[in-house]
Amino acid sequence: EPEVTQTPSHQVTQMGQEVILRCVPISNHLYFYWYRQILGQKVEFLVSFYNNEISEKSEIFDDQFSVERPDGSNFTLKIRSTKLEDSAMYFCASSRTGVGANVLTFGAGSRLTVL
Amino acid sequence: GESVGLHLPTLSVQEGDNSIINCAYSNSASDYFIWYKQESGKGPQFIIDIRSNMDKRQGQRVTVLLNKTVKHLSLQIAATQPGDSAVYFCAEKPAGNNRKLIWGLGTSLAVNP
Repeated sequence: EPEVTQTPSHQVTQMGQEVILRCVPISNHLYFYWYRQILGQKVEFLVSFYNNEISEKSEIFDDQFSVERPDGSNFTLKIRSTKLEDSAMYFCASSRTGVGANVLTFGAGSRLTVL
Repeated sequence: GESVGLHLPTLSVQEGDNSIINCAYSNSASDYFIWYKQESGKGPQFIIDIRSNMDKRQGQRVTVLLNKTVKHLSLQIAATQPGDSAVYFCAEKPAGNNRKLIWGLGTSLAVNP
């Protein structure tokens, strides 16, 4: 069964450092997403991406965050200058267009720890 | 504001029993609802969804009920198995041309053998 893969599974970084989280969405999906989950809290929407541009973003997704699809398979989330409160599990997801477009397939997540 | 909340943060059931996980939502304009299951160390996994023009939808061993009058969503799992042990999230999609899901806090389901 096709799956979304994410790397790294866990990253530890110092406050102020840049972090790039990588995702390989399902190959025939055209919508891509990043969500995050702070430990013990809700899953929160960050951003959706379609046709090589951001289609929607939340208030969490400020200027410190950016997304990119550098090639035909990868989808990345960059945090320019990490803060302690960025520590969370970051989930990448993808979905089709048309029927089933609202059904997201999630990756296993990348745990980010900011010290 | 918009929020989706869960009535029971934890639920413990005996293997073979039926499970009911409840969810309240506050945005009456939401047009789509979805349940995800998250096992330890994994990402959320789609279980079942329902549109706002429906009251009930059945899948394999799972049923989702939507009561728009009281803005309540439930997930019923028949003959609960140990493999059903996980955290279950409900999520809603506000009406309109968007793809943002608003998630509840999650209910932890523990199945006792």
